[in-house]
Amino acid sequence: NAGVTQTPKFQVLKTGQSMTLQCAQDMNHNSMYWYRQDPGMGLRLIYYSASEGTTDKGEVPNGYNVSRLNKREFSLRLESAAPSQTSVYFCASSETGTHAYEQYFGPGTRLTVT
Amino acid sequence: AQTVTQSQPEMSVQEAETVTLSCTYDTSESDYYLFWYKQPPSRQMILVIRQEAYKQQNATENRFSVNFQKAAKSFSLKISDSQLGDAAMYFCAYRSEAWDGNQFYFGTGTSLTVIP
Repeated sequence: NAGVTQTPKFQVLKTGQSMTLQCAQDMNHNSMYWYRQDPGMGLRLIYYSASEGTTDKGEVPNGYNVSRLNKREFSLRLESAAPSQTSVYFCASSETGTHAYEQYFGPGTRLTVT
Repeated sequence: AQTVTQSQPEMSVQEAETVTLSCTYDTSESDYYLFWYKQPPSRQMILVIRQEAYKQQNATENRFSVNFQKAAKSFSLKISDSQLGDAAMYFCAYRSEAWDGNQFYFGTGTSLTVIP
């Protein structure tokens, strides 16, 4: 049981390059999330997927796109990377419903855009 | 939208002593859930403790306990007998009962240093 996995762990891009961050969970969770973490700003939600087949914008969606490929996988794409997108990116998943379901996080991807 | 505030960017504690991290939140909901997450230098986010708002009893997990004051919208984390391994960034999080997809709100974190 791997939980939430993310690839890659580290990436350096040049301005204007594109890349896709991959995320997969094996806990059969309905909901998946992408966050970015910047110093002093905590975790900010980029996009989320409440269930397979749906995606919605979070607090900071500009410059990103997502795909919920199936129930397990939720990818984040940067079409034209900018230095402002230098950050640590976390994927998370959770169950939904009226219980104290917490989020489970992947190990993060440190992205540097030069 | 709900907001979560952690007013202490940095805290320090002597090994074996007790430290309390503060968290306040703003909400109009009556049912919700609160969490403390720990993020060590490895970056992995680890759940420390959870609290259901409808429960009056404060949650406890070994050396970690919370002081949940619903009326004051306060949710502090107490770490007793601090250990070197407790050094990390700690995030307070709020989970809304209402499902609009974006259920989770995080504070900006408190960096805890444990002094040997």
